[in-house]
Amino acid sequence: GAVVSQHPSWVICKSGTSVKIECRSLDFQATTMFWYRQFPKQSLMLMATSNEGSKATYEQGVEKDKFLINHASLTLSTLTVTSAHPEDSSFYICSARDVETGDSSGANVLTFGAGSRLTVL
Amino acid sequence: GDSVTQMEGPVTLSEEAFLTINCTYTATGYPSLFWYVQYPGEGLQLLLKATKADDKGSNKGFEATYRKETTSFHLEKGSVQVSDSAVYFCALSTARQLTFGSGTQLTVLP
Repeated sequence: GAVVSQHPSWVICKSGTSVKIECRSLDFQATTMFWYRQFPKQSLMLMATSNEGSKATYEQGVEKDKFLINHASLTLSTLTVTSAHPEDSSFYICSARDVETGDSSGANVLTFGAGSRLTVL
Repeated sequence: GDSVTQMEGPVTLSEEAFLTINCTYTATGYPSLFWYVQYPGEGLQLLLKATKADDKGSNKGFEATYRKETTSFHLEKGSVQVSDSAVYFCALSTARQLTFGSGTQLTVLP
């Protein structure tokens, strides 16, 4: 089945540094990937939609200059948290949809990565 | 806009108990409905889905029926196991995106 890999799974960094998180679709191509943020014991909040070869679409309230998204190929999207601060500490999850097979029922079924836990000291 | 309302947790059950987690939704058009499960320290996994009214999704003993008249998609399992302990998310999808409920933490005690 479709697999999405995220790396790193856990990262600790100092305040003011930048951190890059990778999201890869391992056995399928994805023109669209999604980035979510999850706070402890809360639901996922969609941050942005990453489109291969074009600019990401950010949700309202998400700082595009702070959360840089690049979708350089059909199998890779990256999220860079720039000048990270402790309040950026969170669980970041990506998801992707297989463009080739999609879902036979037409449902918008996404495959999720295992998530990346960012801790900013 | 689209929204999903889930039963608040946490829910604690004994092994072999019956489980119901309520989920209702608000959406324009005809969304697809999903239940995702998140085990500790992991990302989300699709548990089951239903794409049209009266469809029943099922997987690993879990079931949910798409009820258009009540705009609901309640998750049920007849006999839970300790390994079912996780956070369960109800979600709906339209052409644009997935909208998640707030999640329900389930703990099953031996």
